[in-house]
Amino acid sequence: RKEVEQDPGPFNVPEGATVAFNCTYSNSASQSFFWYRQDCRKEPKLLMSVYSSGNEDGRFTAQLNRASQYISLLIRDSKLSDSATYLCVVRSGGGFKTIFGAGTRLFVKA
Amino acid sequence: GAGVSQSPSNKVTEKGKDVELRCDPISGHTALYWYRQRLGQGLEFLIYFQGNSAPDKSGLPSDRFSAERTGESVSTLTIQRTQQEDSAVYLCASTGLAGYNEQFFGPGTRLTVL
Repeated sequence: RKEVEQDPGPFNVPEGATVAFNCTYSNSASQSFFWYRQDCRKEPKLLMSVYSSGNEDGRFTAQLNRASQYISLLIRDSKLSDSATYLCVVRSGGGFKTIFGAGTRLFVKA
Repeated sequence: GAGVSQSPSNKVTEKGKDVELRCDPISGHTALYWYRQRLGQGLEFLIYFQGNSAPDKSGLPSDRFSAERTGESVSTLTIQRTQQEDSAVYLCASTGLAGYNEQFFGPGTRLTVL
């Protein structure tokens, strides 16, 4: 079983749609969680951190469920520019080792 | 300020040759990571350095792979006797100590082994 698993997609949605991605992790000692975005042939960039209480940044909402060991990302009012691969990232324990999921591809169409 | 830089941006080599990839982290960042990303795949953790602690080498795929970092400065990833399956983009990232430690990535080195 992979340490971090994501549905690879692709998700094809129209502009304005709401789309949600889930990610599961296997290490219950994991302490920090993030969503990164990666555009085609570019390096990943941080989209948002995921806090235990859940957090929102504009059209993006992240949630953490420690009991079920999954995190989610919700994108509301999708834009064409949201088309990218979304990477779930988990850091374990007090160290710095981080594990990236394989990513979920999103295509937003006009 | 300057971000993470990597060199070369592209490297084409012949099977069996050694290659050395370089990463310049953001100044003051204590942690540095190397990842490998094959075409259409996710990021595969290779190694990380944190300050003067012993590096975590648990992701290195074979003994042909090694990496060094002096203090909190430049790091080099060396691949000996390259194989075609080593073809990938090698990404470096660095992070500081503050907050949730966002990783800042370099643009990567695209390695092609013929």
